[in-house]
Amino acid sequence: SQQGEEDPQALSIQEGENATMNCSYKTSINNLQWYRQNSGRGLVHLILIRSNEREKHSGRLRVTLDTSKKSSSLLITASRAADTASYFCATAGSRDDKIIFGKGTRLHILP
Amino acid sequence: DAGVIQSPRHEVTEMGQEVTLRCKPISGHDYLFWYRQTMMRGLELLIYFNNNVPIDDSGMPEDRFSAKMPNASFSTLKIQPSEPRDSAVYFCASSSSTGGNYGYTFGSGTRLTVV
Repeated sequence: SQQGEEDPQALSIQEGENATMNCSYKTSINNLQWYRQNSGRGLVHLILIRSNEREKHSGRLRVTLDTSKKSSSLLITASRAADTASYFCATAGSRDDKIIFGKGTRLHILP
Repeated sequence: DAGVIQSPRHEVTEMGQEVTLRCKPISGHDYLFWYRQTMMRGLELLIYFNNNVPIDDSGMPEDRFSAKMPNASFSTLKIQPSEPRDSAVYFCASSSSTGGNYGYTFGSGTRLTVV
């Protein structure tokens, strides 16, 4: 299946620490995207990494992509209470393909 | 831009009743997507439109579900008759592409409870 699977399912860390979430998928992709969902809200697009890219940064976010292992990681540095949310990876199998979401990682930042 | 607007935010209905969910996409976005989110199945793509035309409805669970997009600024998802297992949060999203280059912009969702 093209669907990504996030790991871990849930993660609790102290404020100020770094948080790392992983995503694995099964088929070849055009790009991989990460989204955040705060409780009771819609998903917010964070970052997109294309299949020919290995690493991308956006503020405190760092995304890596290893197409040989069919995996990606999302690193949030210097976590804040406001980072508490669920994080989803989503994969697009081709340029014109719809994106498919994983089941997400629930991140809880402890004060 | 006000973003993707969904209504209502919450809907409680009795089994057997018709339910209509509404969505206004971002102006200029050619693609509109309807998703359903539950704890058990996560985010499921139900249907998506391109330039108001349904492209892929393979995720629509059964004939009780239907979706329309009469113009570029409005779409509806209808469930008739509704059943308790339809209880979920339904999201609408829009984009300038399917998955190739841009992310999706999601609405705040409609929480549907069928009793």
